[in-house]
Amino acid sequence: EAQVTQNPRYLITVTGKKLTVTCSQNMNHEYMSWYRQDPGLGLRQIYYSMNVEVTDKGDVPEGYKVSRKEKRNFPLILESPSPNQTSLYFCASRNTGGGYEKLFFGSGTQLSVL
Amino acid sequence: GQNIDQPTEMTATEGAIVQINCTYQTSGFNGLFWYQQHAGEAPTFLSYNVLDGLEEKGRFSSFLSRSKGYSYLLLKELQMKDSASYLCAAQAGAGSYQLTFGKGTKLSVIP
Repeated sequence: EAQVTQNPRYLITVTGKKLTVTCSQNMNHEYMSWYRQDPGLGLRQIYYSMNVEVTDKGDVPEGYKVSRKEKRNFPLILESPSPNQTSLYFCASRNTGGGYEKLFFGSGTQLSVL
Repeated sequence: GQNIDQPTEMTATEGAIVQINCTYQTSGFNGLFWYQQHAGEAPTFLSYNVLDGLEEKGRFSSFLSRSKGYSYLLLKELQMKDSASYLCAAQAGAGSYQLTFGKGTKLSVIP
């Protein structure tokens, strides 16, 4: 089944404790992206990647890191989480064959930083 | 840059028709997407428009006017399961795969 898999689904952590949210897709998509979703603010892009070893900042990259060492994986790293990073996070991927290619989303990670 | 506007909330009655509007201002444009998102779940694709006009897909239709920077999503024969947020997303110019999302319209369907 074609899918984007994110883990964990829920995560509670404390300020300053490094964490990684994993994302993997099995559709051989070139493009991958991370979003955070907050009430009243909608989906905002954190980082994206057009292909292996190519990553770029989105609208809200501060406090986050990503890597794209393999085509299928795009982990999101919070080196020193802070409470303002409490949010619902989504990983997504899409093909780059044309503008009509839709974005596939993972099931989300609800992160709470205490 | 991109700016997407859509109403925050709407309420409609089961069996009725509802239209959710979206206006966009973009520095480049290569299509408009609509996604549905149930509470706590991932967004799922509904429609894509790049040319002016109406695209119909079952109970859902989407319209685009590029000259007016305007789109709408039309939901017919509303069902309770249609209660969700509806996200409008504009795609930047040709060769870009970046989407800018609106804040979403929360639709409540009442009996």
